[in-house]
Amino acid sequence: SQQGEEDPQALSIQEGENATMNCSYKTSINNLQWYRQNSGRGLVHLILIRSNEREKHSGRLRVTLDTSKKSSSLLITASRAADTASYFCATDETGRRALTFGSGTRLQVQP
Amino acid sequence: DAMVIQNPRYQVTQFGKPVTLSCSQTLNHNVMYWYQQKSSQAPKLLFHYYDKDFNNEADTPDNFQSRRPNTSFCFLDIRSPGLGDAAMYLCATSRDTLQGARGQPQHFGDGTRLSIL
Repeated sequence: SQQGEEDPQALSIQEGENATMNCSYKTSINNLQWYRQNSGRGLVHLILIRSNEREKHSGRLRVTLDTSKKSSSLLITASRAADTASYFCATDETGRRALTFGSGTRLQVQP
Repeated sequence: DAMVIQNPRYQVTQFGKPVTLSCSQTLNHNVMYWYQQKSSQAPKLLFHYYDKDFNNEADTPDNFQSRRPNTSFCFLDIRSPGLGDAAMYLCATSRDTLQGARGQPQHFGDGTRLSIL
């Protein structure tokens, strides 16, 4: 079953701009993870935020989590053409070992 | 570098002809996953192994089977591929902890793209 819905489905920005992607989910979670997928490649883990955390940073990435609204956002600051990829949120649901992936956001960064 | 390797990268098979996809890992992770990903969609979990313990998702077709002969290798067998099985198949691993696999990132291979003629 698909847990996360991501918004927007596609995003096109200019290099240097910030990109924000949102993820909503339905059930209780232990943590939420964000992954990146370049075209034709596997997924790469970016960042994990636990259910008791509200914000986390890693380099140019900033993730927020609002468990009351069951939503998360991923902000990429000062985007680069190399950030062009699909970004997926994945929830670690209470009582379930495996992750459930959202529908993804396709980000295009124009040089 | 420790990694997850999937072979082949591209596989073409005929309608109804059995096919096997392989995955190996040098991470020594005890959990291995198989996902199916169709174009512009989210990866969909087919099954996973916790050590040798096999866990099938409820909606995974019987046509899909898996084997894990040892920690390092895992195989996906599609017994009678149909046109709807054309997709990217992704293998992933994670390291279980006392708290289960929670909080551990998954490490993915680059996938095998399966085409059905």
